[in-house]
Amino acid sequence: NAGVTQTPKFQVLKTGQSMTLQCAQDMNHNSMYWYRQDPGMGLRLIYYSASEGTTDKGEVPNGYNVSRLNKREFSLRLESAAPSQTSVYFCASTREWGGPTDTQYFGPGTRLTVL
Amino acid sequence: GNSVTQMEGPVTLSEEAFLTINCTYTATGYPSLFWYVQYPGEGLQLLLKATKADDKGSNKGFEATYRKETTSFHLEKGSVQVSDSAVYFCARLSYEGSYIPTFGRGTSLIVHP
Repeated sequence: NAGVTQTPKFQVLKTGQSMTLQCAQDMNHNSMYWYRQDPGMGLRLIYYSASEGTTDKGEVPNGYNVSRLNKREFSLRLESAAPSQTSVYFCASTREWGGPTDTQYFGPGTRLTVL
Repeated sequence: GNSVTQMEGPVTLSEEAFLTINCTYTATGYPSLFWYVQYPGEGLQLLLKATKADDKGSNKGFEATYRKETTSFHLEKGSVQVSDSAVYFCARLSYEGSYIPTFGRGTSLIVHP
């Protein structure tokens, strides 16, 4: 099992450009998440998908959109990138939604710089 | 709202020293508590967890006890190694209309030989 994979690993964009971050998991998990990690801020939830076909906003959704393409894949799109979106982005998954003890499994991250 | 507070880092120790990283959480509901570790250039991975009061989670020599009376889940290790150098995140998970995990800001640990 590869676990949670993310592409690309690194990306540099110019302000106003768009891009999609890809995430896939091969653990047959139902729930998937997108976080951003900024220095001194810890992890902040952008969007999540409790199950295939559903998505919901997290703490910092502005400037982002998501698609739960199927059970395995959950993508994050930046329509018009801004320097404030420079960050490290992590995708994660959990076995089920509503599990009080569920462990989050994280991908290796995408380091995004917006100039 | 739900929150998790960790001690600020970096924590700098010599090899074989005793480690404590403090974590406190808001007492709303009955959360499960977690410690995640992030090694340089990698994603987070679960280190240990505890799901109810007085439970002790342990893994790789690390321990943390769920203390409901002090709303704390401090991470400890008796003898750190250079390979323990990483960022440690405390997190809580409880149902408050939805199951959304809340992470602390992370504490960087640097262990010198």
